[in-house]
Amino acid sequence: EAGVAQSPRYKIIEKRQSVAFWCNPISGHATLYWYQQILGQGPKLLIQFQNNGVVDDSQLPKDRFSAERLKGVDSTLKIQPAKLEDSAVYLCASSLSRALTGELFFGEGSRLTVL
Amino acid sequence: AQSVTQLGSHVSVSEGALVLLRCNYSSSVPPYLFWYVQYPNQGLQLLLKYTSAATLVKGINGFEAEFKKSETSFHLTKPSAHMSDAAEYFCAVSRSGNTPLVFGKGTRLSVIA
Repeated sequence: EAGVAQSPRYKIIEKRQSVAFWCNPISGHATLYWYQQILGQGPKLLIQFQNNGVVDDSQLPKDRFSAERLKGVDSTLKIQPAKLEDSAVYLCASSLSRALTGELFFGEGSRLTVL
Repeated sequence: AQSVTQLGSHVSVSEGALVLLRCNYSSSVPPYLFWYVQYPNQGLQLLLKYTSAATLVKGINGFEAEFKKSETSFHLTKPSAHMSDAAEYFCAVSRSGNTPLVFGKGTRLSVIA
């Protein structure tokens, strides 16, 4: 079974530039999450999708971050314009459903460095 | 709000020694609790989970954790550390089966030969 795929693995940009990250969840997983992991901290939820609808985006900085999951499968997370404090690893995870008695499957992450 | 506190950002043990990683939770209702492991440059992998069934939970790679409501704790243990256990370990909590995970800051485990 293929895992959660993310790209790019690494990205370096200058502040005020834009960047986009892509995630392909495990086939059949209805729920998709984007987490931000700053160095030395645990992952923090940015947004949760159920199929192509947003369930929770309360911690997403909507002035600069956006995310979509148009067909209920792949998802894209965009940052525009980037700030220095956005340097982090962006983790995508998926699960069969919102019921967390199941398991979240994480991708390897996309590491963003903002200079 | 749900939260977890991991005591000790870095724990170092000798190979073959007991591993004990501490996690205390804050929850207004019976929580769902999880331990995840993250190896360098990899995503997180579920070690074990507590979902209100047995209080002693066994996970992969010989790890186990015990849910203690009176102490609001969910400490992770392994009787004998192996070099391959060196990684970052995260405790996480969810208020119910439908709310997102809230992670602790993590504990980095080093295993010394």
